[in-house]
Amino acid sequence: EDQVTQSPEALRLQEGESSSLNCSYTVSGLRGLFWYRQDPGKGPEFLFTLYSAGEEKEKERLKATLTKKESFLHITAPKPEDSATYLCAVQARIYNQGGKLIFGQGTELSVKP
Amino acid sequence: NAGVTQTPKFQVLKTGQSMTLQCAQDMNHEYMSWYRQDPGMGLRLIHYSVGAGITDQGEVPNGYNVSRSTTEDFPLRLLSAAPSQTSVYFCASSSGVLNGYTFGSGTRLTVV
Repeated sequence: EDQVTQSPEALRLQEGESSSLNCSYTVSGLRGLFWYRQDPGKGPEFLFTLYSAGEEKEKERLKATLTKKESFLHITAPKPEDSATYLCAVQARIYNQGGKLIFGQGTELSVKP
Repeated sequence: NAGVTQTPKFQVLKTGQSMTLQCAQDMNHEYMSWYRQDPGMGLRLIHYSVGAGITDQGEVPNGYNVSRSTTEDFPLRLLSAAPSQTSVYFCASSSGVLNGYTFGSGTRLTVV
């Protein structure tokens, strides 16, 4: 069964304190791994797609990496505006027509000034 | 460009009532999906579509119907509402299999 597990469930950081969020996945052939950001009361906002082990992508203070079993979202020198829930999702090759994402439960990040 | 528009934003239903959650996108995206989000459960896929006339079931399809008669619209129908369907519902669309999805702002549904 395809599964996505994110850790920690919640993370509190001081402004400027770098850290990483983890996304472990079990999937029958990975087609793509996605990271989203969700602010309270809003829909998720797309951040990155990673396709193969060893791939890295960056956006401002965020850097996503991918191995064969997990992905990390590194946050460098975070600011209070980075506070949000970060969601990881996978799409398996078995779903030939695409469109079927399996999401993890998310990591709630709080950055204090 | 409005993106993905969901209506209504809030809804209260009585057990056994039926209703349709509306979703429309103006980006000419082929892929559309419906998710529900519950505390501690994350986002769970209800139904998805890869183009007009094509739909398929996700993880939790029971109690819900969908149809896709146009590229723009993807309504979600609750056949006979139950308290277990109390949730926040999100519609999303994408232009390709590995492109990021654009999500709507959600519909908060309460079934009493």
